[in-house]
Amino acid sequence: AQKITQTQPGMFVQEKEAVTLDCTYDTSDPSYGLFWYKQPSSGEMIFLIYQGSYDQQNATEGRYSLNFQKARKSANLVISASQLGDSAMYFCAMREGQNNQGGKLIFGQGTELSVKP
Amino acid sequence: DAGVIQSPRHEVTEMGQEVTLRCKPISGHDYLFWYRQTMMRGLELLIYFNNNVPIDDSGMPEDRFSAKMPNASFSTLKIQPSEPRDSAVYFCASRPVQGQISGANVLTFGAGSRLTVL
Repeated sequence: AQKITQTQPGMFVQEKEAVTLDCTYDTSDPSYGLFWYKQPSSGEMIFLIYQGSYDQQNATEGRYSLNFQKARKSANLVISASQLGDSAMYFCAMREGQNNQGGKLIFGQGTELSVKP
Repeated sequence: DAGVIQSPRHEVTEMGQEVTLRCKPISGHDYLFWYRQTMMRGLELLIYFNNNVPIDDSGMPEDRFSAKMPNASFSTLKIQPSEPRDSAVYFCASRPVQGQISGANVLTFGAGSRLTVL
């Protein structure tokens, strides 16, 4: 069974500083994908970044980067130069299997990030 | 593209009533998912479809819940009879078979339907 763990229920960060949100996962499948989503107070789920288990380099998308440590089974999200608009819930998720082989996306419990001015 | 469209956005009903939530996935997406979000249990996958066929319904809480996808552009999640513990935000999401971002086929969520059962 797959499992996603986010150990930080809440985090604070000063505006313009970087912050790391932790995510660990557990799977026996060698092929899997890791995702991060943002959920602002308005409620929508916004895709941020993706890392495939066979990707050699850490994924980056603008101010978001994923610190992928395969041996430790961790996929931490790094947000650089935090902005007030980054205040939201952040969810880590995993899907087992290659991209085109179906598979359900399982989410962690989330981390609530608050950016202080 | 209009994205994944869910209705109603908000529903308040009384215990015992039937509730029907609706979803229109993104055109061309082969997979459709129903999730439920609560404070206590987080985001739970209820059921998902591939090409209108249910693939995994192991997350459906009990027989009071049912989901259908009669065609590629429409799905319903029905609760009958509803109970207060069903109060949650229900999300519909869809994705294509082929990856569109760095090989990933990303799940796109609707805005959610907030259900309150009194």
